[in-house]
Amino acid sequence: DAGVTQSPTHLIKTRGQQVTLRCSPKSGHDTVSWYQQALGQGPQFIFQYYEEEERQRGNFPDRFSGHQFPNYSSELNVNALLLGDSALYLCASSASVATNEKLFFGSGTQLSVL
Amino acid sequence: GENVEQHPSTLSVQEGDSAVIKCTYSDSASNYFPWYKQELGKGPQLIIDIRSNVGEKKDQRIAVTLNKTAKHFSLHITETQPEDSAVYFCAASSGYTGNQFYFGTGTSLTVIP
Repeated sequence: DAGVTQSPTHLIKTRGQQVTLRCSPKSGHDTVSWYQQALGQGPQFIFQYYEEEERQRGNFPDRFSGHQFPNYSSELNVNALLLGDSALYLCASSASVATNEKLFFGSGTQLSVL
Repeated sequence: GENVEQHPSTLSVQEGDSAVIKCTYSDSASNYFPWYKQELGKGPQLIIDIRSNVGEKKDQRIAVTLNKTAKHFSLHITETQPEDSAVYFCAASSGYTGNQFYFGTGTSLTVIP
């Protein structure tokens, strides 16, 4: 049973550039959430996608956007990168958009902004 | 919004001893409390969770307790093993926040052989 897969595993960008991160949910899951984890901190919620729409959003600027495809996979896009965007970006999937569903995480994409 | 605090930030125990990690939350509407284990270079892995209608839950060497009145919950690991060494995160969510989980800042557990 394939778990949540993310690509790439590592990425280095410079300030002002744009980046796209990709995620495939766990088999049987249709809801994808993205979290940002700064070094030494817990994950912070960015947004959640279900039925190809953004359903919920955390306290992140519009530079952070996403997309969900018909096969439930998802992308996270970050525009105009800042040094402070350097972090581990985690994708998580759940079996439905219902509240308090178990959340399963991928291994993340480590983004470094220089 | 919800605020989850986690203590201690680091914890070292001898192999075979017990480890306890504590979290408090601020939003009385929170009703789901998962615990995650994160090993170096990996994403958080769900190890146990508890819902607000239950006071305690156990799975082999791991147990979680919840005190809704005091708004705190704890993770208990008994008979610790070196492979338990990792960073542990508590989290909280409520029906009002959908599937937005609020995480603590993590506890780095080291089990000394």
